[in-house]
Amino acid sequence: QKEVEQNSGPLSVPEGAIASLNCTYSDRVSQSFFWYRQYSGKSPELIMSIYSNGDKEDGRFTAQLNKASQYVSLLIRDSQPSDSATYLCAVLGSSNFGNEKLTFGTGTRLTIIP
Amino acid sequence: DVKVTQSSRYLVKRTGEKVFLECVQDMDHENMFWYRQDPGLGLRLIYFSYDVKMKEKGDIPEGYSVSREKKERFSLILESASTNQTSMYLCASSNGGAETQYFGPGTRLLVL
Repeated sequence: QKEVEQNSGPLSVPEGAIASLNCTYSDRVSQSFFWYRQYSGKSPELIMSIYSNGDKEDGRFTAQLNKASQYVSLLIRDSQPSDSATYLCAVLGSSNFGNEKLTFGTGTRLTIIP
Repeated sequence: DVKVTQSSRYLVKRTGEKVFLECVQDMDHENMFWYRQDPGLGLRLIYFSYDVKMKEKGDIPEGYSVSREKKERFSLILESASTNQTSMYLCASSNGGAETQYFGPGTRLLVL
């Protein structure tokens, strides 16, 4: 079983609609969760982090975390063509020596249709 | 402005060559990371370093080594390049734990 799982997509959403991206993780003790956006040919950039159960909003983006279900999601409201990218879910865990490291999902490719 | 730089954007090497990928950050970050990214496999951690001269294996360290002699510089070494090491290599740095990881622009390596 993969540690962090995402639907690879592609996910197509009409402009102005809500895009919903989902992620599940296997390590129950994980406490920190991140969403990175990666445009084609570019490197990932952080767009949201979430540490507590519930919702966290930042502009058009909302991250949702449910630790009991080991589930984290990202909602993008009023989707714009510029939101077309691959979205990577990342979960902070510990290495064998106790140092913290991120484990990434394989990413979901999102396309916003004008 | 946050900056992580990598020595090359594109690199072509022959099988068996020794390859050095350099990464420099100017944010005085403690932690530095090397990932490779392949279609369908996502970002996979090769090695990371949480302090100067300290290193730890990631999920796929075989065929790679690293060096961190100075805080700002983290090098990835392919001792004897093989075709299955053709990939996009991404360096990142952070101040640890839940802090943001900042990525460099990536090096696309082709091993022939």
